[in-house]
Amino acid sequence: DSGVTQTPKHLITATGQRVTLRCSPRSGDLSVYWYQQSLDQGLQFLIQYYNGEERAKGNILERFSAQQFPDLHSELNLSSLELGDSALYFCASSATGGSDTEAFFGQGTRLTVV
Amino acid sequence: GENVEQHPSTLSVQEGDSAVIKCTYSDSASNYFPWYKQELGKRPQLIIDIRSNVGEKKDQRIAVTLNKTAKHFSLHITETQPEDSAVYFCAASKSTGFQKLVFGTGTRLLVSP
Repeated sequence: DSGVTQTPKHLITATGQRVTLRCSPRSGDLSVYWYQQSLDQGLQFLIQYYNGEERAKGNILERFSAQQFPDLHSELNLSSLELGDSALYFCASSATGGSDTEAFFGQGTRLTVV
Repeated sequence: GENVEQHPSTLSVQEGDSAVIKCTYSDSASNYFPWYKQELGKRPQLIIDIRSNVGEKKDQRIAVTLNKTAKHFSLHITETQPEDSAVYFCAASKSTGFQKLVFGTGTRLLVSP
C-alpha cells in the first residue's frame, strides 16, 4: 500500500457526461500529480499541484480540470467525455514539489466511457 | 519540452538471463532518472533512480547506468526471475523547481521459466 488513495476504482459513464476522480495523498505529502494511462500506452502527465497551487501542466485537455484543496486532497474533473478518454487515471504524491523525489502512485481509477 | 524514448517495447527472456532496457532523453538539463515497475493491474512503483552526478547505481540484481553525453540511461536486470515480469517505465526530469516527471512509453518484460 503506497498510502495514496484514489476513488472510485472503477467508473463507467456515457459519452458527454462529466465525472470527478478523487485522490488523497500520503500523509504529509504536499505535491499531487495526475497521469493518464491509455490501453498499452505509457504514463502521460496531466497536471501537478503543490500545496493547493498548480505547479506544472502537461498535455491536459481543456475539457479536463483539477484542483487541490486545503486538506491536500485533489480532484480531477473530466467533462464532455469522449470514448477516447477511457483510460486508467493515476494520482501520485511526493513530499516536495520537486521532481527528484520519489512519487508514490495510487491504485488508479479505471474510467470506461461507453 | 522533455521527450523520453524507450526501447524495446517488449522483451522476452529466459529465467536467469539478463535484461536491458534503454532510454534516451532530449533535455540536457534533466538530471533525475527514476525507473518504475508496473505489474499487471497494479500501480507503478519506483525500483531504482539515478541522479546526473552518478554514472551507475546498483541495488542487488538491478542496476542503472547513465551516459550524460549521449543522453541515455539504461536499466539492467541480472539473473531474471518470473516475478520480474512487468512493464518497466523510465522517466526523466529536472530537479530544479517544480518539474514534471516525463515517462517513456514502457517496456513489457516477460521472463519465462
